[in-house]
Amino acid sequence: DAGVIQSPRHEVTEMGQEVTLRCKPISGHDYLFWYRQTMMRGLELLIYFNNNVPIDDSGMPEDRFSAKMPNASFSTLKIQPSEPRDSAVYFCASSTPGTDTQYFGPGTRLTVL
Amino acid sequence: LAKTTQPISMDSYEGQEVNITCSHNNIATNDYITWYQQFPSQGPRFIIQGYKTKVTNEVASLFIPADRKSSTLSLPRVSLSDTAVYYCLVGDRNTGFQKLVFGTGTRLLVSP
Repeated sequence: DAGVIQSPRHEVTEMGQEVTLRCKPISGHDYLFWYRQTMMRGLELLIYFNNNVPIDDSGMPEDRFSAKMPNASFSTLKIQPSEPRDSAVYFCASSTPGTDTQYFGPGTRLTVL
Repeated sequence: LAKTTQPISMDSYEGQEVNITCSHNNIATNDYITWYQQFPSQGPRFIIQGYKTKVTNEVASLFIPADRKSSTLSLPRVSLSDTAVYYCLVGDRNTGFQKLVFGTGTRLLVSP
């Protein structure tokens, strides 16, 4: 199994631009998570889906952030417009049915100038 | 929300056993205890999970006392490659993943 796949691995953009992060979960997993990690705030859960349906988005910082999961094998996290304070590493993870164990992708390092 | 408390950092030497304790005084009846490891520039990786008593796998052991208000991750004979941040999480997927908070973790430094 290839594990959770994220793209791009690195993204540098300018303030005000739209950023789209992509994630392919492990096949057969029923939960998908988006996290953000910074030195100041640690690892924060932004939103998670169960069977492609958003369950809890209370961690999404503001309306500039949105996430979709159009099918079981693909999810996006979009930031529009981006701001320098959005600079962080964004992780996607997926979970095996019936367990709490989360499998993380390699992350996308986002830098907003 | 079952809040967890871990030491911020620990130091050890190669070949030693390392024990990292996590406090979770308000753990709920259905909550599991899960530990993750994170290397720099990588996502967290599942190490071990338990509910009570002792769990052991090829990587670590997890000790949970009868009251379940704390747990101890034990890493036998650490090597330099065990230098990482270790997170303790407490929760149950049926009550929502927002409860499974990673916290600040314990930064373990293994020296030669």
